Amino acid sequence: DQQVKQNSPSLSVQEGRISILNCDYTNSMFDYFLWYKKYPAEGPTFLISISSIKDKNEDGRFTVFLNKSAKHLSLHIVPSQPGDSAVYFCAASGPLSGSARQLTFGSGTQLTVLP
Amino acid sequence: AAGVIQSPRHLIKEKRETATLKCYPIPRHDTVYWYQQGPGQDPQFLISFYEKMQSDKGSIPDRFSAQQFSDYHSELNMSSLELGDSALYFCASSGRLPQETQYFGPGTRLLVL
Repeated sequence: DQQVKQNSPSLSVQEGRISILNCDYTNSMFDYFLWYKKYPAEGPTFLISISSIKDKNEDGRFTVFLNKSAKHLSLHIVPSQPGDSAVYFCAASGPLSGSARQLTFGSGTQLTVLP
Repeated sequence: AAGVIQSPRHLIKEKRETATLKCYPIPRHDTVYWYQQGPGQDPQFLISFYEKMQSDKGSIPDRFSAQQFSDYHSELNMSSLELGDSALYFCASSGRLPQETQYFGPGTRLLVL
């Protein structure tokens, strides 16, 4: 059972417009959420994160919104640029018995920004 | 800024052989994580180490083992390789805070023939 879901495998957006990527989770113990961007044959690159005590975090063109009651988060990219074209992974972590916190990833959304 | 270093970047092995993947975390990061990403799949957590001790274990096969050394680098040892082990193996590192962000290396692409 996938605990982190990205239901849209792909998204196409025109350059300059807003890209909205969505993510749902089922485990109410998750308290930290991250978005990563990934190019083929490269490691995931950290974009932005949000703690469960917040509902919004902004960094430049990237904003992440968290709706805890709906167990839903979204990543907004404004304005979208062709260089943003990549696979975007949503990831979540929660308190575990160990000292380190593993990430649970969604299946990713391929964003294509059209010039 | 220094990033996570993984070696080798590419590795080709035959069935039943062994492989060792290495990970060098970002300086002053004391926690290392290993993930496996199969073709068309999302990264799956394998194992993590905090201060040279195993911290959490995910879907790591018994044929695999890992450790973190005194300089905080980590090695993933894979024995009796199977065709299904072909995947991208990512290492990530993080610092000391409970919710510290994990930063990923470029990955090692393992192909088992």
